[in-house]
Formats: sequence, structure tokens, C-alpha cells
Amino acid sequence: EPEVTQTPSHQVTQMGQEVILRCVPISNHLYFYWYRQILGQKVEFLVSFYNNEISEKSEIFDDQFSVERPDGSNFTLKIRSTKLEDSAMYFCASSEDPSYNEQFFGPGTRLTVL
Amino acid sequence: AQSVTQLDSQVPVFEEAPVELRCNYSSSVSVYLFWYVQYPNQGLQLLLKYLSGSTLVKGINGFEAEFNKSQTSFHLRKPSVHISDTAEYFCAVTPAGAGSYQLTFGKGTKLSVIP
Repeated sequence: EPEVTQTPSHQVTQMGQEVILRCVPISNHLYFYWYRQILGQKVEFLVSFYNNEISEKSEIFDDQFSVERPDGSNFTLKIRSTKLEDSAMYFCASSEDPSYNEQFFGPGTRLTVL
Repeated sequence: AQSVTQLDSQVPVFEEAPVELRCNYSSSVSVYLFWYVQYPNQGLQLLLKYLSGSTLVKGINGFEAEFNKSQTSFHLRKPSVHISDTAEYFCAVTPAGAGSYQLTFGKGTKLSVIP
């Protein structure tokens, strides 16, 4: 069964460093999403992406964040200068057509900022 | 804006007993509703969804949920749980037909099935 994959599973970085979280969505999906979950808190929407541009973004998704589909398979989330409060589990999701309202989630990348 | 409240953070239940996981939402517009399950070290998997039609929705693994518009609830039920149902369950909503597909999640309920 096709699935969304994410690498790495755990990333540790120093405050102020740049990190790139990688996702491989399901191959025929066209819509991509990033969510995050700070420990003990809700899963929060960050951004959605379609046709090589951002469709929606939340207030969390400020200038420190960017997304890219650098090739036909990967979807990345970059955090330019990490802060302690960026420590969270980051989930990538994809959907074939958002009107079907089923987003398929990856297992997540745990980001720890020291 | 939407919000979701899952009233129980943890629910222990004995194997083969019934379970109900509660979810209430708040929204100024109509919404679509979802339940996701997360097993350890895995991603969120869709259990079931309500878009329209019958308010009783059946999902995978024997789960069902009932949409109650007047009470703004979407509680998840299973008549007889198994050990394998031990996981975290998330309720989520998205605006209906508004061109926005972002999911708003509750904090999750950890279901522990006791042998």
C-alpha cells in the first residue's frame, strides 16, 4: 500500500541552525501539507502546497519557514534559523484531491532544538 | 475559525468492553469531521469521516461515529475493543466546501486496552 515517508525520523539541531525536513508523498498525489505537534499540544496546520505554490498557510508559518518541491518526488520544509520553540513532531501529508478530504500522513520527524 | 475539544486525554478500557471517545467542535460555518488514529511510531491514519448524508458513519476496524449537529459533537464508538486498538485517537474538522482543506485537530485521546 502506498504511504508517505519522512526523513529523518529524529533530527537534533542547535538553536539558530537551518534544518530541512524531507517528505516523499504518495506518487499520484498533487496536494501536500505540513503539520506540527508540540509535545502535549494539538496537531497544528502549517501550510498546504499545490502546483508549486503555497495554497494556504497558518500564522505559525512565518518567514522562517519555507516549503519546496525540488523534484518530482520530494516535498521539503525548511526552517531557516531554528528556535527552541520549534521543537516538535512535524508531519507531512498528501492528498490526491482535497475535495475527497482524505489526507495521508507520514510517520513524522521529531525535531529537537537545543 | 474552528476548534475541537476532546474531553478525555486518556481512556483505559478492558478488552471486549465498549468504548466511546468524545469530540466536540466549534465552528461558525459547516464542517467536515474526521477521526484519525495513530499507532506508536506511525503516521495518522484516517478511521472515518463525515461529509454529508447519514449522521452515523462507519469506519475501519469496527469503529463508528455519530454526527450530532445540535450538540456539535462527533463521538467515536466501538462495541468491543481489542488489544490492537491501543493507540491515540484524534478528532479533526475542516470547513465544508470553503476551499480550505486545513485540518484543525483536537489534542487527542490515548486509548489503552487492558487485557
